Amino acid sequence: EPEVTQTPSHQVTQMGQEVILRCVPISNHLYFYWYRQILGQKVEFLVSFYNNEISEKSEIFDDQFSVERPDGSNFTLKIRSTKLEDSAMYFCASSQGVSGETQYFGPGTRLLVL
Amino acid sequence: RKEVEQDPGPFNVPEGATVAFNCTYSNSASQSFFWYRQDCRKEPKLLMSVYSSGNEDGRFTAQLNRASQYISLLIRDSKLSDSATYLCVVTSGGMDTGRRALTFGSGTRLQVQP
Repeated sequence: EPEVTQTPSHQVTQMGQEVILRCVPISNHLYFYWYRQILGQKVEFLVSFYNNEISEKSEIFDDQFSVERPDGSNFTLKIRSTKLEDSAMYFCASSQGVSGETQYFGPGTRLLVL
Repeated sequence: RKEVEQDPGPFNVPEGATVAFNCTYSNSASQSFFWYRQDCRKEPKLLMSVYSSGNEDGRFTAQLNRASQYISLLIRDSKLSDSATYLCVVTSGGMDTGRRALTFGSGTRLQVQP
């Protein structure tokens, strides 16, 4: 069964550093998403991406964040100048492109900012 | 008011029991509704979509009441493997808007005991 993959599984960084989280969505999917989950809290939407541009973003997704699809398979989330409060599990998801259909989640990257 | 509200639990039930979870959502424009399951420190996985007519998948039955903005999940004949956190999820906008961001509840924890 096709699945979303993410690398790395864990990332530790110092406050102020830049991190790039990587995702490979399911190959025939057209919509890509990033969500985050701070430990003990609910899953929160960050951004959705379609046709090489952001289609929707939340208040959390400020200028510190950016997304990119650098090639035909990868989808990345860059966090510039990380803060302590960026520590969370970051999930990538993808969907085929029909409104209301299932979003499939990757296993996540656990980011710890020290 | 929280966008998606769930009783956090935990629900501790014996194997074979029937257990019901409820959820309310605040955005009347929401069009798509889901139950996801999340195991500890893992990604959310779709359990089932929820339709106004109600739907059943094996031991699981989901119901949607649009008038009351209420969603339910019934699990019959609970198994040890059902132990997880159950997430009530809605889309943030209507299909006309093309908005696909998922809004998650905080989840209800289920522990099935032998």
